[in-house]
Amino acid sequence: EVQLLESGGGLVQPGGSLRLSCAASGFTFTNYVMSWVRQAPGKGLQWVSGIASNGITIAYADSVKGRFTISRDNSKNTLYLQMNSLRAEDTATYYCAQRNGDYAYFAFWGQGTLVTVSS
Amino acid sequence: EIVLTQSPGTLSLSPGERATLSCRASQSVNSRYLAWYQQKPGQAPRLLIYGASSRATGIPDRFSGSGSGTDFTLTISRLEPEDFAVYYCQQYGGSPLYTFGQGTTLEIK
Repeated sequence: EVQLLESGGGLVQPGGSLRLSCAASGFTFTNYVMSWVRQAPGKGLQWVSGIASNGITIAYADSVKGRFTISRDNSKNTLYLQMNSLRAEDTATYYCAQRNGDYAYFAFWGQGTLVTVSS
Repeated sequence: EIVLTQSPGTLSLSPGERATLSCRASQSVNSRYLAWYQQKPGQAPRLLIYGASSRATGIPDRFSGSGSGTDFTLTISRLEPEDFAVYYCQQYGGSPLYTFGQGTTLEIK
């Protein structure tokens, strides 16, 4: 059974930093592109960042480029999102998601971790 | 950027009725890269349809997807009580790599 378990969310002040983790199990982690998708309270879904299976090809949404860094540790089956210079508008539930290679959909999602940016 | 516009914003129907949800793209989308998700309160999204018309594993056959180019549709043939939720379409390609529609809320009438 595929499981994605996010952690690391919490309350942080504007300008602060936070590191999210996503522990993966139940599938061969090294075979999959992984992404972070967020959802502001009461709002829709927004893709944040994605990373290829080898950790080399990386992409970001413009709204987080230069502030967020995605990475992965294939030896630990873990995905990360380092978030710096956080803003109020980054407040959201952050989901990690496994991407299907052929059709580019998000097949499996974690339960999400809430990040609140507020003073 | 490819913008996906879903309509209606809210759809009020009764169990047993047919639901038709629309997703319109600002430019042509490769239908291979068009997916639909269902999200219930407090839960993560759940994949329903991929490749515009293929049902994901375990999805009942009352859910179907269709469309091409800029117009895509999710149809639920006979609504069950558990189908009332928010539905999102998603596409891959361009910049940003992935975009989602703003969602359609399917509520019980």
